[in-house]
Amino acid sequence: DAKTTQPPSMDCAEGRAANLPCNHSTISGNEYVYWYRQIHSQGPQYIIHGLKNNETNEMASLIITEDRKSSTLILPHATLRDTAVYYCIVRGLLIQGAQKLVFGQGTRLTINP
Amino acid sequence: DGGITQSPKYLFRKEGQNVTLSCEQNLNHDAMYWYRQDPGQGLRLIYYSQIVNDFQKGDIAEGYSVSREKKESFPLTVTSAQKNPTAFYLCASSFRGLNTEAFFGQGTRLTVV
Repeated sequence: DAKTTQPPSMDCAEGRAANLPCNHSTISGNEYVYWYRQIHSQGPQYIIHGLKNNETNEMASLIITEDRKSSTLILPHATLRDTAVYYCIVRGLLIQGAQKLVFGQGTRLTINP
Repeated sequence: DGGITQSPKYLFRKEGQNVTLSCEQNLNHDAMYWYRQDPGQGLRLIYYSQIVNDFQKGDIAEGYSVSREKKESFPLTVTSAQKNPTAFYLCASSFRGLNTEAFFGQGTRLTVV
């Protein structure tokens, strides 16, 4: 599985865009990039995923570089409720279709009022 | 509502006792997973199952056992052989394949005294 590298912590002002970077230089051609977030003592929440094109949903945007070696998660208008640990995951398959999510340390994002 | 449910939320056990954590999903997902999370750490895969009556060891299976008798249920037993059982345990489920997100339960915090 490709490993990911994220900054351990980031701060962002409420109402501004939060841009969370992730490096995954060993990603292979068929691996997807997934983002999850975890608020303290809760289960991780799915945010967005992509293969090579940029993706957008109601929560966030995902920008993947052309060489696919890095990506950026964008929360367009951060709120205090976006304070969480954000995990960037490169996902590979286990045998017979089950997916393997390998979690790193993530980025602790703090939204400041 | 569709979702994945873990119970109980908090569990206390004496050292040397086996304990079983419940995980149920009504999302019609084929694959189910168990992860362990220690303070300040990412998630580590214990066991996974992609079909009824079949399951595979993850990265840290020693001291744990599972069963998959029904599609909806994937209980995890923490045995007395697990040397450091105190942790936050998370269950997840998904359809099989790369382009599909996993959904997580809210976790069970196990404390062994």
